[in-house]
Amino acid sequence: QVQLQESGPGLVKPSQTLSLTCTVSGGSISRGYYYWGWIRQHPGKGLEWIGYIYYSGSTYHNPSLKSRVTISVDTSKNQFSLKLNSVTATDTAVYYCARDTGQYFDHWGQGTLVTVSS
Amino acid sequence: EIVLTQSPGTLSLSPGERATLSCRASQSVSSSNLAWYQQKPGQAPRLLIYGAASRATGIPDRFSGSGSGTDFTLTISRLEPEDFAVYYCQQYGSSPRTFGQGTKLEIK
Repeated sequence: QVQLQESGPGLVKPSQTLSLTCTVSGGSISRGYYYWGWIRQHPGKGLEWIGYIYYSGSTYHNPSLKSRVTISVDTSKNQFSLKLNSVTATDTAVYYCARDTGQYFDHWGQGTLVTVSS
Repeated sequence: EIVLTQSPGTLSLSPGERATLSCRASQSVSSSNLAWYQQKPGQAPRLLIYGAASRATGIPDRFSGSGSGTDFTLTISRLEPEDFAVYYCQQYGSSPRTFGQGTKLEIK
């Protein structure tokens, strides 16, 4: 059974870079077939797809986040990461990593709350 | 992008009753590329339905999905206590993938 776990700072200052890592267990990112993605949920609100990466390194992200998003993969550690730069209070959210079929998300991490505040 | 509107915002029902949740898209969702998720407080969403009508692994058969085009429905035939949660639809027929705002299913 695939399991995902997010890690990273829970507090980021405005204008700085949010950095999160997702560690995958029970399955290898290098196996291919699946994408590995990030989704966020603003407090008390709905879900927003951020982007995904394939084990080869190819990525795609939601155009609404413009060019602030970088997603990378480290297959040796079975991890993938999210960087979101120039953050503001509107980036405060619970961030989830998930196994992405390219269509829907079939396994999710438990989520981590990131607050943007000085 | 496709906007998904879920209704009602809140649905109050009793265990044993039938729940019908709606998801309407601002434009046609190609090939019934729609999924449903369940989210309980403090937990991540859980995939229930994909392809508008296919149950995900381990999902009880009291959950069923239907619809096509712009109108989709999630039905829970007989509510169990553990079914009270927030439900989201998500389309993947068009990029970017988008979610509805959710329907809260609460105990009456």
